[in-house]
Amino acid sequence: TQLLEQSPQFLSIQEGENLTVYCNSSSVFSSLQWYRQEPGEGPVLLVTVVTGGEVKKLKRLTFQFGDARKDSSLHITAAQPGDTGLYLCADRSQGGSEKLVFGKGMKLTVNP
Amino acid sequence: NAGVMQNPRHLVRRRGQEARLRCSPMKGHSHVYWYRQLPEEGLKFMVYLQKENIIDESGMPKERFSAEFPKEGPSILRIQQVVRGDSAAYFCASSPGLRQGVIFGPGTRLTVL
Repeated sequence: TQLLEQSPQFLSIQEGENLTVYCNSSSVFSSLQWYRQEPGEGPVLLVTVVTGGEVKKLKRLTFQFGDARKDSSLHITAAQPGDTGLYLCADRSQGGSEKLVFGKGMKLTVNP
Repeated sequence: NAGVMQNPRHLVRRRGQEARLRCSPMKGHSHVYWYRQLPEEGLKFMVYLQKENIIDESGMPKERFSAEFPKEGPSILRIQQVVRGDSAAYFCASSPGLRQGVIFGPGTRLTVL
């Protein structure tokens, strides 16, 4: 069974600071996805990465995928209070099933 | 396009009662997934359905839980004889087909007293 570990689990920072959250898999990722979940809502897809070494940018968010396709990072530049939420990495399960396997997430609080 | 709709958003049940959670997928989506989110445990897959068929139920508890996605109407996740440990947020997601992005609904928060 694939395990996804995210670190840190909690982070509280001031507006304007930078941060990085990591996601490590016990096996090679099939199709790595990053989600953001706001309190009381469902997860919203931020990005999908499939190629080792790939870097994707989404405004102030930079996603990196390790060359070996077993780790990833999400870097946020100049965090804003609107970035507050739970950041989840996920992979489509090995073996062709359509189910997603999620990490436990990193709970981010950005204080004004 | 209204997105994935779930109702009720909040549901309170006493131990031993039944809980019925409904999910209407996005228009044009024929694949439905149910996930459960427990505090400190993250999102866990429960079941994957297509119209009138259960494709993968490997994450469903063996007893008291069932799911359906009829030809007409929403998908239903049914929990019989609820216990306190069933208290969680239950999310439905839908997609238009295989290997395509899923859209999550807002969830149903179940509280068992």
